[in-house]
Amino acid sequence: DSGVTQTPKHLITATGQRVTLRCSPRSGDLSVYWYQQSLDQGLQFLIQYYNGEERAKGNILERFSAQQFPDLHSELNLSSLELGDSALYFCASSIQGASYNEQFFGPGTRLTVL
Amino acid sequence: QKEVEQDPGPLSVPEGAIVSLNCTYSNSAFQYFMWYRQYSRKGPELLMYTYSSGNKEDGRFTAQVDKSSKYISLFIRDSQPSDSATYLCAMSEAGNQFYFGTGTSLTVIP
Repeated sequence: DSGVTQTPKHLITATGQRVTLRCSPRSGDLSVYWYQQSLDQGLQFLIQYYNGEERAKGNILERFSAQQFPDLHSELNLSSLELGDSALYFCASSIQGASYNEQFFGPGTRLTVL
Repeated sequence: QKEVEQDPGPLSVPEGAIVSLNCTYSNSAFQYFMWYRQYSRKGPELLMYTYSSGNKEDGRFTAQVDKSSKYISLFIRDSQPSDSATYLCAMSEAGNQFYFGTGTSLTVIP
């Protein structure tokens, strides 16, 4: 167990809908990262937050947004969902802001868009 | 062209074999290199981390980086059934955004 928690574990929804994925980092970790994992694209970095501020942005679509709250938990919002958004979404956390510090991954949220 | 290329396998070896996993990359500015192991239905966990070129050894695992060839490798000695997992390589220029390979699926047969 990495100490990173993600809810929900599974999510099934329809195209056009909006969902929110939640992540609680390990105790003491200030940085949170979001990744999308699909079979054909592998693990894709979406966005990083450090102590409430956006630190780095990767291949995140405009339909997606994230935030990190004062208690350091983070939420990833996915809107106008498309079939291609079906994937595993991972959250990871690390102590410091630079991601070459070891990232601890949560168990993921499996999103299915029908 | 993808930033990082990794043979997806699957790779199947007998217990005790030496396993070689590889990734190639196109960005010569990459300096940080990592290997992650991902068991089925779990998140990735960091196995090895290397900065710049050279070798790093940790128990049965050895990571090699050849920046001149843009090629990294992970060797697993005396492979065990518990090593059966998907192995992901990852790399970064400045350590703040990592590019992952698609992963190689490994099965070690008892």
